[in-house]
Amino acid sequence: DTEVTQTPKHLVMGMTNKKSLKCEQHMGHRAMYWYKQKAKKPPELMFVYSYEKLSINESVPSRFSPECPNSSLLNLHLHALQPEDSALYLCASSQGGQNYNEQFFGPGTRLTVL
Amino acid sequence: GEDVEQSLFLSVREGDSSVINCTYTDSSSTYLYWYKQEPGAGLQLLTYIFSNMDMKQDQRLTVLLNKKDKHLSLRIADTQTGDSAIYFCAVSRTSGTYKYIFGTGTRLKVLA
Repeated sequence: DTEVTQTPKHLVMGMTNKKSLKCEQHMGHRAMYWYKQKAKKPPELMFVYSYEKLSINESVPSRFSPECPNSSLLNLHLHALQPEDSALYLCASSQGGQNYNEQFFGPGTRLTVL
Repeated sequence: GEDVEQSLFLSVREGDSSVINCTYTDSSSTYLYWYKQEPGAGLQLLTYIFSNMDMKQDQRLTVLLNKKDKHLSLRIADTQTGDSAIYFCAVSRTSGTYKYIFGTGTRLKVLA
């Protein structure tokens, strides 16, 4: 299985809602990533988990809260988002460790904040 | 910090070759990748090259790396309409950081 899956595919939420994005991989990868991508722009790194510990937080606002319950699963909890948070949220995974770190991306969740 | 630049747009005719270019600033970039993104989709890894290589060929794809000029290119032979997409180069180091630095992306349009 060489796939990263993400659910839901689309999400529309109001500014007072609480929702979660889910990402799963079964490749035995130990590093998992959240990216935010605006239209026609490259992905921007938000968080990196390495061996289930948060290793990088790119100064992301606290209304985004990541969670890594186990080595296969990565969640992104959303609360009190703003319309400018509307974007494609991409999850990725890689082997981890200090060597070659090819990242495999999921199809993304298209988020719209009203 | 690291800066990775690409030209924004490329248009080619079906059957021609496409060459997408990428320049980077950090000479310690060790792993260099090419990703393809179709509309509304995630990123698909096409190929990669290590900094100790000059060239890598994989079917219709050829990657060339000029370390002196910090220039990376992706050549797609016999370009098809299905190759129309945005292409991102990305670079990373071996320092243990998992960070990619992505290029600005090149939109390839293939004309029938």
